[in-house]
Amino acid sequence: DIQMTQSPSSLSASVGDRVTITCRASQSASNYLNWYQQKPGKAPNLLISAASTLQSGVPSRFSGSGSGTDFILTISSLQPEDFATYHCQQSYSIPWTFGQGTKVEIK
Amino acid sequence: QVQLQESGPGLVKPSQTLSLTCTVSGGSISSGSYYWSWIRQPAGKGLEWIGRIYSTGSTDYNASLKSRVTISLDTSKNQFSLTLSSVTAADTAVYYCARDSHDLAGWDFDCWGQGTLITVSS
Repeated sequence: DIQMTQSPSSLSASVGDRVTITCRASQSASNYLNWYQQKPGKAPNLLISAASTLQSGVPSRFSGSGSGTDFILTISSLQPEDFATYHCQQSYSIPWTFGQGTKVEIK
Repeated sequence: QVQLQESGPGLVKPSQTLSLTCTVSGGSISSGSYYWSWIRQPAGKGLEWIGRIYSTGSTDYNASLKSRVTISLDTSKNQFSLTLSSVTAADTAVYYCARDSHDLAGWDFDCWGQGTLITVSS
């Protein structure tokens, strides 16, 4: 199985801050990497697929990059509605696996 | 717009079998363009993919659960189901059904149910 490790596990940031979340795969996942946002009590919502493809309706302040084993999710200017938990997920090989999540909290 | 909705018992006793159903509306589960997955999340923890089924009935399972899991399809009701046998407290989680869609690179979960909490307790 490909193990996915996110860092940090949590972070505190202020509105307007630039936020970076890292996801590392235990072996190459090519660019088969997705990012999800999850708010408390809700299902995850797909933000970015194929490492860098923004889903329709997702604000352009979100961006993704990386390939192979190292991936990054960037929020260029954090907004109040962005406080949530973010998960990465690889779809390079079954079983699909997720990172443990990164909780973005208000500073 | 496709919507998914889980239904299940809420509470299951240890050693018993958990059964969940996902009802799909706004689109046909038989369309052949998607897989249909089950994913779970213990409280305060990360997401775990359980397995998926295609419109032909072909399945993929997470090997960590494969001996206890069956995913099946009922096209007449536009539903797919999960059974998990011999449950323990470790199976307590929110269970989600999701659509597994092929993208530019790989697969992604582009549509999710709201989730249903399953508690394993006597």
